[in-house]
Amino acid sequence: GDSVTQMEGPVTLSEEAFLTINCTYTATGYPSLFWYVQYPGEGLQLLLKATKADDKGSNKGFEATYRKETTSFHLEKGSVQVSDSAVYFCAVRGSNFGNEKLTFGTGTRLTIIP
Amino acid sequence: EPEVTQTPSHQVTQMGQEVILRCVPISNHLYFYWYRQILGQKVEFLVSFYNNEISEKSEIFDDQFSVERPDGSNFTLKIRSTKLEDSAMYFCASSGGQGSGQPQHFGDGTRLSIL
Repeated sequence: GDSVTQMEGPVTLSEEAFLTINCTYTATGYPSLFWYVQYPGEGLQLLLKATKADDKGSNKGFEATYRKETTSFHLEKGSVQVSDSAVYFCAVRGSNFGNEKLTFGTGTRLTIIP
Repeated sequence: EPEVTQTPSHQVTQMGQEVILRCVPISNHLYFYWYRQILGQKVEFLVSFYNNEISEKSEIFDDQFSVERPDGSNFTLKIRSTKLEDSAMYFCASSGGQGSGQPQHFGDGTRLSIL
């Protein structure tokens, strides 16, 4: 089945630092890839997505590029803010008809200090 | 922006009791899902639902679990006889269509505590 391996946390950075959270996946066919964010006390919010190779998803200054050759979808942000403190989940969704579940990574807790 | 709503936000139940978790998906969505997250662990798929029947379920979703769409707006998850290990955050999600690019929109979750 599908699987996601995500960078272990927690990650602590200073404000304005560069962020990378690594994510690699295994899946058959041509899956779609997602990053979700969970702020304290809240549910999962879609941060960005990419549906085919070389697509770049972006939102709120975050970016991730679908790299089929390395089966990766690393999350990056050039300058983090305190408000970015949250848990970040990488997820894969298979392309097979009917196989629509999301498979999540373990999540990476990010703390930004002023 | 439309959102998925879940009630209650926190449910405390005695072991062996039945519990029903409720969700109102986004109104024009057709595909519905339940996931759970045991404290400190990853989010796990439980079940997907479309056209009034289960599309897929995981091995976690055993005979103690059931889902229902009793009317045009609600989507429920029932656990018949709760166990201590059912304690988790349960998330409902919905999407507008199949196809790998369709995002799933999640509710804020119901924290289920089994005593």
